[in-house]
Order: sequence, then structure tokens, then C-alpha cells
Amino acid sequence: EVQLVQSGAEVKRPGESLRISCKGSGYSFTSYWIAWVRQTPGKGLEWMGIIYPDDSRTTYSPSFQGQVTMSADKSISTAFLQWSSLKASDTAMYYCARLPVVVVPASPPKFSYYGVDVWGQGTTVTVSS
Amino acid sequence: SHDLTQPPSVSVSPGQTARITCSGDAVAKHYVYWYQQKPGQAPVVVIYKDSERASGIPERFSASSSGTTVTLTVSGARAEDEADYYCQSKDNNDFVLFGRGTKLTVL
Repeated sequence: EVQLVQSGAEVKRPGESLRISCKGSGYSFTSYWIAWVRQTPGKGLEWMGIIYPDDSRTTYSPSFQGQVTMSADKSISTAFLQWSSLKASDTAMYYCARLPVVVVPASPPKFSYYGVDVWGQGTTVTVSS
Repeated sequence: SHDLTQPPSVSVSPGQTARITCSGDAVAKHYVYWYQQKPGQAPVVVIYKDSERASGIPERFSASSSGTTVTLTVSGARAEDEADYYCQSKDNNDFVLFGRGTKLTVL
């Protein structure tokens, strides 16, 4: 069974650092993109960025560039989302999501994506003093 | 980014047809996906690549597109279909776009 299993809920204080994880299983972890999506209470889905675990290439949403860091360790089939200094406004649910690779004919070929086929269960992050 | 426009809410009676629209320039150029999210749960893909129904999704869910608008249709809506529905596409820079979501009420 294909699964993305995320780490547990976190409660942190402003200014603290944090890394949450997303472990893929049941498929070849390096053959799919992993995206991170934020959902604040009562709000919709916001795309934060995406990483290709095979070579750790990343693309960040302009809204989140410089605010978070995405990484991946393909040896343990796990992607990470990291903050160096949390703010109260980072309080949210964070989802990781798998996106199939789309090969765009080009020279050299470009790896792209369309949409999500599998979602993680989410990690709640609460930042409060 | 939210360059996809969805109505905030749609309400139908059980057995009626619910239609949820998603509009934006991106949908004319890139595939659209639809996700269903029930309270306290992670989203689930309902439709992928504009009109393909995801595995395990009932046949009453379908989607179509016309120009810069795509429509998710729930034919014969049931109480269990009550959820938030999000459309998703991407822009020419490969930035993923989500609509703001539509709350479907079946009452």
C-alpha cells in the first residue's frame, strides 16, 4: 500500500526551530515529487513548494521562499520541512503530498508534475508563547 | 497562490446535482485536479487530469472543462459528499495553484 506517513503534532514557542517529516512507503520514493501544503485553521490549501527526492532539486512558492527549507533523505525515503525560527503565524496543519513525475520532451528532458495522487495524514504545528 | 476562482459554497438537496466551478487562465493550459476534504481529514483526490475519476471514487463524480472554466459535477449528491472541494492546477512557472475551496452542503 502506498503511504505517506508524517511525524506527530508539534507545540513550539516563537523563535524555536522545527523539522517535520514525511516518510514514503510502498513505492519508489525517488520516482515521485513531494510537495508541502499548508492549511491554516478554517482556511484553504496553500502550496509551499516541491522537492524531487532523487536529486533534492526544489522549487519554492514565492510566499514561502526564505521562510522554510525543504529537504529529503532518499536513503530513508523521507522528506523534511524545516523552520529555523518559528512565528505564531506558522501555526497550521502541514501536509506532504506525492506528485507523479511528468517527463516533458525537451533537450535535456524536463521533469515536471501535474497534481497530487497521494496525501499524507498531516502534521499539526502550534506556535504559541 | 490562489489564481483559481471557486464559489465559496454550493448547496443542494439529496439526490440533486451539484456543480462546482473553477475558473482561471491556468485551467485552459494545464490539467486540473479536484480534491475532497472532509472535516478533520486529509484531502483525497477525486478527479485528476481534468476528467479522470480517481480509484475508488463513485461514478456520480465527474468533471468537464470549457475554456477557462472547469466544472466538478456530483450527480445525485448524497449526505456523505458533504465536504470542501478544491481545484488545483499550475501556472507557466510550474507553481502549483489551488482554488480557495468550495463547501458543498447536501441538505
